[in-house]
Amino acid sequence: KAGVTQTPRYLIKTRGQQVTLSCSPISGHRSVSWYQQTPGQGLQFLFEYFSETQRNKGNFPGRFSGRQFSNSRSEMNVSTLELGDSALYLCASSLAAGGSTDTQYFGPGTRLTVL
Amino acid sequence: KNQVEQSPQSLIILEGKNCTLQCNYTVSPFSNLRWYKQDTGRGPVSLTIMTFSENTKSNGRYTATLDADTKQSSLHITASQLSDSASYICVVRESYNTDKLIFGTGTRLQVFP
Repeated sequence: KAGVTQTPRYLIKTRGQQVTLSCSPISGHRSVSWYQQTPGQGLQFLFEYFSETQRNKGNFPGRFSGRQFSNSRSEMNVSTLELGDSALYLCASSLAAGGSTDTQYFGPGTRLTVL
Repeated sequence: KNQVEQSPQSLIILEGKNCTLQCNYTVSPFSNLRWYKQDTGRGPVSLTIMTFSENTKSNGRYTATLDADTKQSSLHITASQLSDSASYICVVRESYNTDKLIFGTGTRLQVFP
């Protein structure tokens, strides 16, 4: 069974631009979560989707948005990029959502650099 | 504020030795606590998941313990191998009402031959 895939793997943008990142979960998984990882802050939760509905959202500005499609694939969008948005963006999928003990499987991440 | 703190920040050990990583949290109430291993440049991989009612869980040479009364967890690595060099992240999931995952900043482990 294929793992979580993320595209693109690397991205370079300039300030003010917008970017869309894509995540394809493991087949059969309906929950997709997004995280931002930086050296200084570690992993921080962005949002979680389950069956096309946003279930939870972290403490990020409205420039960060996402959505999930009927096939469980998810996209994350960041508008008006700032230098501080440079980070590794990780996507994780699991079978169930919420407080379950289902294992989350992470993708390899998208490395975004904002110049 | 719900927090997860890990110690030490970094650790160097020799191959074959044991080590223990610590995780203290203030998240309350919580539904489960997870330990992840993250190799450089890759996504985290789940090692263990424990609910608040579990005290210990093993995954090969990795053993996690949980004391919900003192809000402490530890990850013990037995007979370390070079491939254990990675960051180890403790994650606590809040209760069913919020479901958010609170991440620790990790412990960077380096195993030398």
